[in-house]
Amino acid sequence: NAGVTQTPKFQVLKTGQSMTLQCAQDMNHNSMYWYRQDPGMGLRLIYYSASEGTTDKGEVPNGYNVSRLNKREFSLRLESAAPSQTSVYFCASSKANYGYTFGSGTRLTVV
Amino acid sequence: TQLLEQSPQFLSIQEGENLTVYCNSSSVFSSLQWYRQEPGEGPVLLVTVVTGGEVKKLKRLTFQFGDARKDSSLHITAAQPGDTGLYLCAGQPPRAGNMLTFGGGTRLMVKP
Repeated sequence: NAGVTQTPKFQVLKTGQSMTLQCAQDMNHNSMYWYRQDPGMGLRLIYYSASEGTTDKGEVPNGYNVSRLNKREFSLRLESAAPSQTSVYFCASSKANYGYTFGSGTRLTVV
Repeated sequence: TQLLEQSPQFLSIQEGENLTVYCNSSSVFSSLQWYRQEPGEGPVLLVTVVTGGEVKKLKRLTFQFGDARKDSSLHITAAQPGDTGLYLCAGQPPRAGNMLTFGGGTRLMVKP
């Protein structure tokens, strides 16, 4: 019963470097989400995928891209990291009209 | 954008005390969920309330959805140190599929 698995758990990047955050769920959920969590800002939606083959922008998409590789996997890419992208990133999945299952997060620092 | 405001933002109490956390909006939601997040982990779903006026109990936690489905409260009776964490409410706007709007959270510390 793994649920939602995120990798890596921690990452330090230099400004301008790129990286991909990986997320996989084993619950056969249709919808998947990427959030960032910053002190005093709560959870903000970056991108979401309502179903396999579709992706849409959330509240704060600038500087990010996503790929819904298949039903299980939803990755988040930072093409050119900036210090403003220092945050904790959470992936979540859900099925219709049910609550979200979150991963344990990726703590990213951009220096 | 439908906003959810939680109050208080921070709460520090002694073990055994009661507390209430509020989640308010000017917008109507189809449902409202409460999550608890512990340090270093993702939020975990506690409950979903769907019907206006609905009350759900989870051991010492009581959740209520407002009659107009614009607000919700979480009441904890006889708080314990294990209740320490960040409590998040999240509303499902009408006709928004399974999208959620999250409140800013209430950080609770229960001292032994």
